[in-house]
Amino acid sequence: DAGVIQSPRHEVTEMGQEVTLRCKPISGHNSLFWYRQTMMRGLELLIYFNNNVPIDDSGMPEDRFSAKMPNASFSTLKIQPSEPRDSAVYFCASSDGTSGYEQYFGPGTRLTVT
Amino acid sequence: RKEVEQDPGPFNVPEGATVAFNCTYSNSASQSFFWYRQDCRKEPKLLMSVYSSGNEDGRFTAQLNRASQYISLLIRDSKLSDSATYLCVVRGGGFKTIFGAGTRLFVKA
Repeated sequence: DAGVIQSPRHEVTEMGQEVTLRCKPISGHNSLFWYRQTMMRGLELLIYFNNNVPIDDSGMPEDRFSAKMPNASFSTLKIQPSEPRDSAVYFCASSDGTSGYEQYFGPGTRLTVT
Repeated sequence: RKEVEQDPGPFNVPEGATVAFNCTYSNSASQSFFWYRQDCRKEPKLLMSVYSSGNEDGRFTAQLNRASQYISLLIRDSKLSDSATYLCVVRGGGFKTIFGAGTRLFVKA
């Protein structure tokens, strides 16, 4: 079975550019999570969706960040405009809400903003 | 105080050793607990859930102490392949989960 799929795996962009990260959750999972990981701050939950509806976006750092989930098999995280401090690894994870809500992570997108 | 706290380590142990990690959490209403493992430049992967009665999976044993609000992970007979960062994860109500900063383990031959 395919796990969580993320694209691109690596992204290098210049400050001020728009960045779009993509995620396909595991089929049948009804919850989707976006995380950001840096050395300084560790793994931070940005936003999560349940049944395609955003439930909690309190972790989104600024209005420059937005996330959508138009259907059960696709989500995007957009940063516009990007800044060097946005450089991090962005993970998407999904869960089927069973077994205490175990989450399964994608391979991540390593973003570098110059 | 952080919601989930772990000793960052690193723990340096020889092969075959037994090593234990602890993690404390601040929300007494937390409902689910997990240990994840993360290898360098890889995604976190679920190692095991932690149940109230404690649970074991091969060389790994997890314990939960709700009264003291901590969970633990014990690794017996450490292998070189156990070298990784171990993340303590706590879920409050709903879907929101909080990850600890992780404990680094190095197992040496």
